[in-house]
Amino acid sequence: GIQVEQSPPDLILQEGANSTLRCNFSDSVNNLQWFHQNPWGQLINLFYIPSGTKQNGRLSATTVATERYSLLYISSSQTTDSGVYFCAVGNTDKLIFGTGTRLQVFP
Amino acid sequence: KAGVTQTPRYLIKTRGQQVTLSCSPISGHRSVSWYQQTPGQGLQFLFEYFSETQRNKGNFPGRFSGRQFSNSRSEMNVSTLELGDSALYLCASSMGLVDGYEQYFGPGTRLTVT
Repeated sequence: GIQVEQSPPDLILQEGANSTLRCNFSDSVNNLQWFHQNPWGQLINLFYIPSGTKQNGRLSATTVATERYSLLYISSSQTTDSGVYFCAVGNTDKLIFGTGTRLQVFP
Repeated sequence: KAGVTQTPRYLIKTRGQQVTLSCSPISGHRSVSWYQQTPGQGLQFLFEYFSETQRNKGNFPGRFSGRQFSNSRSEMNVSTLELGDSALYLCASSMGLVDGYEQYFGPGTRLTVT
């Protein structure tokens, strides 16, 4: 089955720093989403981005489907950005999640 | 528009018992899918229901089952609970099939098996 790898697994930043999270996938996909999981477990939708580039405030994402990767950019990070970021891809009737990137932002 | 709701939010059960979890999708959504999240295995796809039919199932034993009603609400059942079933169970709803449409997740049900 399709493999979804995220890097880095852990990221520690000081408030105000920028970061790039990466998601690699091993096969063609029908969709790709980025989520932020808050401390209570809720998965918050960040981007639905099977291809192309999108921006939402301090966050932006780019998916290059032909090269099988997606990037999530966080600029001017804030302590509220802390949590786990997941990418998930849709393939063969399933949604497959990566292992996540745990982000900690310190003041 | 109301989001995806899951009940109950927390549950404690004993080994050997069975449990039923409920998921109400966003109004108008016809697909409901279920996921299990554990520290060791991460987020894993359990199954998807679309128009009351199970479309696909992940690699889980037959103790895990589900159904979808005509109003798109879905229930998931786990029989003969094992300690390893302790997890956060998340459901998601979407306008269309799970591998082609944006998924919206509920807050989850945290199940503890003792």
